[in-house]
Amino acid sequence: AQSVTQLGSHVSVSEGALVLLRCNYSSSVPPYLFWYVQYPNQGLQLLLKYTTGATLVKGINGFEAEFKKSETSFHLTKPSAHMSDAAEYFCAVSVSYGNNRLAFGKGNQVVVIP
Amino acid sequence: SQTIHQWPATLVQPVGSPLSLECTVEGTSNPNLYWYRQAAGRGLQLLFYSIGIDQISSEVPQNLSASRPQDRQFILSSKKLLLSDSGFYLCAWTSGGRTDTQYFGPGTRLTVL
Repeated sequence: AQSVTQLGSHVSVSEGALVLLRCNYSSSVPPYLFWYVQYPNQGLQLLLKYTTGATLVKGINGFEAEFKKSETSFHLTKPSAHMSDAAEYFCAVSVSYGNNRLAFGKGNQVVVIP
Repeated sequence: SQTIHQWPATLVQPVGSPLSLECTVEGTSNPNLYWYRQAAGRGLQLLFYSIGIDQISSEVPQNLSASRPQDRQFILSSKKLLLSDSGFYLCAWTSGGRTDTQYFGPGTRLTVL
């Protein structure tokens, strides 16, 4: 079954430092991969997604992620953290193409230290 | 453009009371619809999904049920709430294409006392 693993529920990063959130997936079919961001008491918002083609994917708010099939990874990065990046981040993998179900990781709560 | 609505935004209910949460989507037709629950520290759990009117699939056995009486309306219900039903409930939709994004509503915060 398709699944994702996100390690480290809480991630602290200094303002201006690199943000790196790790996501490893398991999929028996070519995966579609997603990163979402959730601000407190709000729904999830898509940051970026990988379907096919270029393995380096750029998203909103300066985030990007690289699909590495050999490592079964889709890590999210941002060169310089901003206070507004404080939020929870979820990685997800497509479970079924027919009904677009997704399997989500447990999320990373990012804290930005001034 | 498409929008997704959920109500109520917050709800406090006693144990054993009924529940009805509503989700509606505007600006699209025949969407796939999803109900998720988010409990503290447990990520997102898919509860139900629907690919059409009266076509509901359940992912997790529980005392919740879902219905889709209209194309763009998705309702989550319970006859008797449990303490463990507390959480943040999110509705999402997608157009159904293989690479399509799931778009989420603003959520309903349910507290069962």
